[in-house]
Amino acid sequence: DTEVTQTPKHLVMGMTNKKSLKCEQHMGHRAMYWYKQKAKKPPELMFVYSYEKLSINESVPSRFSPECPNSSLLNLHLHALQPEDSALYLCASSQEQGLSGNTIYFGEGSWLTVV
Amino acid sequence: GQNIDQPTEMTATEGAIVQINCTYQTSGFNGLFWYQQHAGEAPTFLSYNVLDGLEEKGRFSSFLSRSKGYSYLLLKELQMKDSASYLCAVEDSNYQLIWGAGTKLIIKP
Repeated sequence: DTEVTQTPKHLVMGMTNKKSLKCEQHMGHRAMYWYKQKAKKPPELMFVYSYEKLSINESVPSRFSPECPNSSLLNLHLHALQPEDSALYLCASSQEQGLSGNTIYFGEGSWLTVV
Repeated sequence: GQNIDQPTEMTATEGAIVQINCTYQTSGFNGLFWYQQHAGEAPTFLSYNVLDGLEEKGRFSSFLSRSKGYSYLLLKELQMKDSASYLCAVEDSNYQLIWGAGTKLIIKP
């Protein structure tokens, strides 16, 4: 069963707030991802964790801070965001990074609105 | 540069067949994925092609020609629930996914 769960589904935060998005998978996957998606655009990779270590940071502003507490969990800490950061944030996982045919499975996403 | 092209929008009739094309130019090739994304939801995996030819999964089939840098997704016996965006993504030589902008498919009764 392929399931990645994300919480919260919706989040509204002010520009001075600190909040976190959470993600969990129990498929034994060793790679986990954060993507950002704006309306009518494809997902945009933000971070990749491989075996609980950050392997890719796509030049994401420091107001986004990822954390991987263990192999099943992935968090995205948010602080001092801007209204243009409002988007759908997608967590995903895959068996392992760097393998051909590495299918990525997405969670349902967290809709973030920054006011 | 890396580039994936898909039509922005297509319209088809319920019960009919539709083909969504994807052409790509990438730094290397390790496979091509198709994802379906309903409005307001996350993308869901449909298919993966790494060798030339047709892969069939029920009403959906995906074709790949590596020499032409071309793939298509074929949807048969269209249902209203097939109205969604369809995203083509190529895995490049660094195993990174390069995404197309997606094709919005509108199904009419």
